[in-house]
Amino acid sequence: RKEVEQDPGPFNVPEGATVAFNCTYSNSASQSFFWYRQDCRKEPKLLMSVYSSGNEDGRFTAQLNRASQYISLLIRDSKLSDSATYLCVVRLEAGNNRKLIWGLGTSLAVNP
Amino acid sequence: GAGVSQSPSNKVTEKGKDVELRCDPISGHTALYWYRQSLGQGLEFLIYFQGNSAPDKSGLPSDRFSAERTGGSVSTLTIQRTQQEDSAVYLCASSPAVGDGEIPISYNEQFFGPGTRLTVL
Repeated sequence: RKEVEQDPGPFNVPEGATVAFNCTYSNSASQSFFWYRQDCRKEPKLLMSVYSSGNEDGRFTAQLNRASQYISLLIRDSKLSDSATYLCVVRLEAGNNRKLIWGLGTSLAVNP
Repeated sequence: GAGVSQSPSNKVTEKGKDVELRCDPISGHTALYWYRQSLGQGLEFLIYFQGNSAPDKSGLPSDRFSAERTGGSVSTLTIQRTQQEDSAVYLCASSPAVGDGEIPISYNEQFFGPGTRLTVL
């Protein structure tokens, strides 16, 4: 089992739709969680961190479920510009070693 | 302000040659990461530095790959005797700190450079 797993998609949704992505992680010692987005042939950029209590940033909502070991990203009122690959990232800590584990990403295409 | 820069942006080399890739992190960032990404694939972690030391080298795919960081700033990734399967985009990222319980979670944000596209013929 991969340490961080995502549905690769692609998710094809119309403008204005609500879409949700899930990401599961296998290591219960995981400490921190993030969503990055990566546009085609571009470098990844941080979208939002995921806090234990859940957090919202405009149209984006991130949730963490430690018991079930998954995080989610909800995008409301999708825009064409939301089309990208969304990467789930988990940070592990073991002593002095802090390691980031990246999912392979979920591809989203928002259509007019 | 200046972001992470990488050079060269593109590198075409012949199989068996050595290549050196360079990363200039954001000034003051203590953590530096190297990844590679093959076409249509996810990010593959290679190595990270905290200052000049590399606590985690587990991602380096073979002993042909090595990296160093001097002065807590610039890092170079060296690939010896390149193979065709080494062709990929090599991404460098830096962050203010790796982070611990006293540092805000936002400090974990990684800022990526534009990458070096390596093609091994």
